[in-house]
Order: sequence, then structure tokens, then C-alpha cells
Amino acid sequence: GAVVSQHPSWVICKSGTSVKIECRSLDFQATTMFWYRQFPKQSLMLMATSNEGSKATYEQGVEKDKFLINHASLTLSTLTVTSAHPEDSSFYICSARKAGQGAGGELFFGEGSRLTVL
Amino acid sequence: AQSVTQLDSQVPVFEEAPVELRCNYSSSVSVYLFWYVQYPNQGLQLLLKYLSGSTLVKGINGFEAEFNKSQTSFHLRKPSVHISDTAEYFCAVSDGSGNTGKLIFGQGTTLQVKP
Repeated sequence: GAVVSQHPSWVICKSGTSVKIECRSLDFQATTMFWYRQFPKQSLMLMATSNEGSKATYEQGVEKDKFLINHASLTLSTLTVTSAHPEDSSFYICSARKAGQGAGGELFFGEGSRLTVL
Repeated sequence: AQSVTQLDSQVPVFEEAPVELRCNYSSSVSVYLFWYVQYPNQGLQLLLKYLSGSTLVKGINGFEAEFNKSQTSFHLRKPSVHISDTAEYFCAVSDGSGNTGKLIFGQGTTLQVKP
């Protein structure tokens, strides 16, 4: 199977600090990863598309300076929430598609990272 | 731009009964359609997908879905549910003509299977 691992699975931080969440594809390479945000009892909202070796593509309304995405290798993408505030508290989920697969390829999801900003 | 609407936020059903979870989409281009399931405290898993060809798609755990282009629907069905099917189900669409293949999700449907 294809496994995507997120770390940390949960994190609590103080308002104003920055938090980094890692997303790793453990047994496959991924040229594209996606970052989602999920509010309680709600759907997954796409935040950005992370492309290996290039800048991320952000969805409308998502602050790129607030949510920094780096896709430094074919197996790792990171999301950094900068100067976090309580309204940034949420469940962040990453997903990855195997390199070479097009839009119809399956997305493999991490188990999510719950961020709580005090 | 694509969008997905899941018409039911919660579907309660008794064990061994049939179930249908409804999904409608809108798109100006050809699309790929997916159903994902999210069990408590787990990541999303792919149930099935429609890319092209036969409009009836069979997935894992006995689920199937039918793509209806004229009604822009992709409803998920199972003839007999189990307690273990209790989970959150998400319908998703991606741009079939795009390169990134980003998935846009519906609001989700909570399937509650009762004994």
C-alpha cells in the first residue's frame, strides 16, 4: 500500500508562535501534495497544491504568507502556520499522489494534524 | 470551477438495510469523480472512482456508485450495510482536463448504522 504520514498528529501552541507540520510519503514518490483544512463536522477545504521543487499554488482566500508550504523533496512537504492565532486552530490534512499519475490517480491521505492555538 | 453537493448530512440506517448516499456535482469540463471514507481517527481512504467507461463503478467493501452525466450525479450505494460501515463519506471531483488533479470535496455524509 501507499502510506502518507503526518507529524505531529496533534500540537498545542501559544498565540503568536509558528508551527510546522510535516507530510511524508513513506513508500512512494510524490511530485504533488495537497494540503486541506477540516473544521469540525465539515468538509475538507483545499488550501494549496504543493509542487516539488517549485512554489505552492494557493486557493483563493488562503494567505500564502500565513501558511507557508515547502515541498523540498519527492517525499516531504511541510506546512508552517506562522504567527498562529486561535482562529487557526483546526485539523490539517495532507494528501499525495504517486509521481507519474495524472488527475485520475488516487490520492493517499495522512491521518491529519490537529492544531490548537491558545 | 467544480463544486460538489452532498444532499444529506446524516443518514441513519439499520444494519443489513440498503443505503444510498447522494452526491451531485457541477463542472463546465469533464470530471473525475471519487468517493472517500473517513473512519474515526483515521485518514481518508478511497472507496471507488469514476474516470471513464462504464457508468457503474464497483469499489471496496461492497460499495458501488453510478455516474449519471445528465443528472450530474454520482450516488453511492450498498445493498446491505454493516455496523462497521459507520463513518463519514465524502464525494469529490477533480478536473479531468487539468494537470494538478486537485480534489474538491463535498460537505460529507455521516452514515450511522444501527443494530
